[in-house]
Amino acid sequence: GQNIDQPTEMTATEGAIVQINCTYQTSGFNGLFWYQQHAGEAPTFLSYNVLDGLEEKGRFSSFLSRSKGYSYLLLKELQMKDSASYLCAVPYTNAGKSTFGDGTTLTVKP
Amino acid sequence: EAQVTQNPRYLITVTGKKLTVTCSQNMNHEYMSWYRQDPGLGLRQIYYSMNVEVTDKGDVPEGYKVSRKEKRNFPLILESPSPNQTSLYFCASSQVFSYEQYFGPGTRLTVT
Repeated sequence: GQNIDQPTEMTATEGAIVQINCTYQTSGFNGLFWYQQHAGEAPTFLSYNVLDGLEEKGRFSSFLSRSKGYSYLLLKELQMKDSASYLCAVPYTNAGKSTFGDGTTLTVKP
Repeated sequence: EAQVTQNPRYLITVTGKKLTVTCSQNMNHEYMSWYRQDPGLGLRQIYYSMNVEVTDKGDVPEGYKVSRKEKRNFPLILESPSPNQTSLYFCASSQVFSYEQYFGPGTRLTVT
């Protein structure tokens, strides 16, 4: 079946760098997404990787290795507002199914 | 403003009373999907639609129905709700299924 693993919780200090890992096993691959979800709110899109390598977007970067089934989200210069859940997601097959990881809850402390 | 809307935002109902949660998007997206989210769990896909009149089951379709008669609307129907369907529900849409999804604000459903 389809499986995505992420750490449940992480804690980091304001101004620091944190890396959130995601491993996946899916049949078919159409890229990997990262979403941010603040408590009680809807997920919002952060990044998308379809080829191996690093994609940088401001303070956020995302990396993909398709051969290893592995991705990470890198958050730099952490701010208090970055405290949220980060969801790794993989659309699989060509027919519309999507699998989300359970999310990593990041707490940023002063 | 480009958005996905859901109604109602909050609903408390009783077991067995049919209900419909509406979802509408104004971005002319082909792909729409319903998810449920429970504490400690990620988003689990209920149903999805690749286009008008094309719907299919996600990972947790039992107890739910959907329809896609118009491109913009994708209602979720619970014919006979049960307490185990108490959850936070999100509707989402994207240009095509492999693109980023835009989520509605969520519907918090409680079935007693």
